[in-house]
Amino acid sequence: ETGVTQSPTHLIKTRGQQVTLRCSSQSGHNTVSWYQQALGQGPQFIFQYYREEENGRGNFPPRFSGLQFPNYSSELNVNALELDDSALYLCASSWTSGGANEQYFGPGTRLTVT
Amino acid sequence: QKEVEQDPGPLSVPEGAIVSLNCTYSNSAFQYFMWYRQYSRKGPELLMYTYSSGNKEDGRFTAQVDKSSKYISLFIRDSQPSDSATYLCAMSPGNQFYFGTGTSLTVIP
Repeated sequence: ETGVTQSPTHLIKTRGQQVTLRCSSQSGHNTVSWYQQALGQGPQFIFQYYREEENGRGNFPPRFSGLQFPNYSSELNVNALELDDSALYLCASSWTSGGANEQYFGPGTRLTVT
Repeated sequence: QKEVEQDPGPLSVPEGAIVSLNCTYSNSAFQYFMWYRQYSRKGPELLMYTYSSGNKEDGRFTAQVDKSSKYISLFIRDSQPSDSATYLCAMSPGNQFYFGTGTSLTVIP
């Protein structure tokens, strides 16, 4: 069974640029959630995708957007990067949507915005 | 007021000690409760998952949920140096997950 994978591992971008982060869900999982984890903080929910549709969103601006593909992999796109976007971005997958299902995290992508 | 409150520590204990980690919350709609372990610069690893109130045991780990007090705990028995990590509590009303800030634990050999 393959776990959750994310790419790239690290990324350095300049303020104002755009970035795309990728996530492959664990085998058999159809739901992907994205989180932002600032240094010394817990993960903050960005949004969740279930069967290729957005299924819940946290308190993040529209410049944070996402996609889920038919194979349940997912992308997180961030436009007009700001310095405060520097964080570890985590992807988590589960069997279906909702808190009733355990989420399994990938290793994360560390984004640095200069 | 944050949805989930967790003492960030740091917490330092000798090897073999019993560790108690705690979180409080304000949203009475939370009914799913989880504990994650996160090593430095890694993704969180699911340790325990519980639904509603009660206790759950898995090896050296015991999770307790007291919904009447809005308080959850994770106990680690016979702590090992390999348990040194940040422990995150998380909870959900049924959709979105809310995390604590994490407690940093060091187990000294």
